[in-house]
Amino acid sequence: ETGVTQSPTHLIKTRGQQVTLRCSSQSGHNTVSWYQQALGQGPQFIFQYYREEENGRGNFPPRFSGLQFPNYSSELNVNALELDDSALYLCASSLNQRTSDHEQFFGPGTRLTVL
Amino acid sequence: SQQGEEDPQALSIQEGENATMNCSYKTSINNLQWYRQNSGRGLVHLILIRSNEREKHSGRLRVTLDTSKKSSSLLITASRAADTASYFCATAAFNGGSNYKLTFGKGTLLTVNP
Repeated sequence: ETGVTQSPTHLIKTRGQQVTLRCSSQSGHNTVSWYQQALGQGPQFIFQYYREEENGRGNFPPRFSGLQFPNYSSELNVNALELDDSALYLCASSLNQRTSDHEQFFGPGTRLTVL
Repeated sequence: SQQGEEDPQALSIQEGENATMNCSYKTSINNLQWYRQNSGRGLVHLILIRSNEREKHSGRLRVTLDTSKKSSSLLITASRAADTASYFCATAAFNGGSNYKLTFGKGTLLTVNP
C-alpha cells in the first residue's frame, strides 16, 4: 500500500456526461500527477499539479481539467465524455524536486466506463 | 505517445526460472524506472537506474541500462508465481514545468506458472 487513495473505484457514465475523480496524496507529498491507462496500454501522462497549480500537461484536450487543494489532494474532471475516455485513471504523488531521481507513488486507480 | 517499447509483449515461464524483459526508448533520459502492475491495479515502483549507471540490483531484480543503444533490461531471478504481473519501463524527463513526468511503455505481461 502506497498511502495514495482514489475514489470512486469504479464509475459508469454515458457519452456527454461529466465526471470528477478524486485522489488523496501520500503524506508529505506536494505533487500529484494524473495518468490515463487504456486497456492493454501503458499509462499516459495527463497533467501534474504542484502547490495548487498545473505544472505540466500531456497531449490531452482542455475538457480534461484538474484541481489541487491546500492539503495536496486533487481532482480530475472530464467534460463531454467520449467512448474513448473509458480507461483506468491513476493518480501518483511525489515530492517536487528539481532532480528526477524520485519515484512516484500510485493509487489503485478509478476504472471509468463510458457507454 | 509511448516513449518506451517493452519486449516481449508477453512472457510465460515456470517457477524458479529467470525472466528477462527489455525496454527501448527514443529520446534522452535522466533516469529509467521499472514498475509492476497487478491485474489493472495501481503501479508499484521496483527500481530506478540513472542515466550514468549501467547496472543496478535490488533483491531478485537486476536492471541494466545502455544509453548508447537506448535500451534497458529487467531480470527477475528465481521467479515465483507471485511475480505474475505486467511490468512497465518508464523514462523520466523534464515536463516543461518544474518537475519531471514519467513516460511509460506498453508493458510486458509476465506469467509465472507454479
